[in-house]
Amino acid sequence: ILNVEQSPQSLHVQEGDSTNFTCSFPSSNFYALHWYRWETAKSPEALFVMTLNGDEKKKGRISATLNTKEGYSYLYIKGSQPEDSATYLCALDSSYKLIFGSGTRLLVRP
Amino acid sequence: DAGVIQSPRHEVTEMGQEVTLRCKPISGHDYLFWYRQTMMRGLELLIYFNNNVPIDDSGMPEDRFSAKMPNASFSTLKIQPSEPRDSAVYFCASSHGLAGGPGETQYFGPGTRLLVL
Repeated sequence: ILNVEQSPQSLHVQEGDSTNFTCSFPSSNFYALHWYRWETAKSPEALFVMTLNGDEKKKGRISATLNTKEGYSYLYIKGSQPEDSATYLCALDSSYKLIFGSGTRLLVRP
Repeated sequence: DAGVIQSPRHEVTEMGQEVTLRCKPISGHDYLFWYRQTMMRGLELLIYFNNNVPIDDSGMPEDRFSAKMPNASFSTLKIQPSEPRDSAVYFCASSHGLAGGPGETQYFGPGTRLLVL
């Protein structure tokens, strides 16, 4: 069974703080790693798809890195804003099947 | 494009009743996925289709669950008979998979929140 772990489970930060979360996954059967942003009562919104070891992706203040050899990905948010409050999910893509982690719930206080 | 459309958005039913959830994928997408989200198990894949054909239904919890995709623009997930433990949010997602190419983004619908009393 492929297991995707995310840490921390939840995070409370002050507006303006930078923060990062970790996604760990088994490096075998790796095709891609997805990051999603999920606000309460909305649908998960795709942030990044990364496929190559060493990949770095950036979207505004959010960026992500990928290490497929050791099986982890980091998501960074620079200068957190209250609107960044959401659950951030990573998912291991094992040939079209996405196996999701349990997410990191981020709360940014004004 | 309107994105992935799901209906109903909310469903409250009594144990033993049949429940049908509906999904319209993004036009041109050839992969369709059904997920279930619960507090205990998180977001888990139930079944997925490629070009209307079910490819992997290993996530379907039991025979009470069935899914169909009669054409490229419509899919249903049916629970018959429903039980209280089926209460969850059910998401449909679609993607445009390149031939032999994983790593395509899956676009999620708004979900159907199901409560079985």
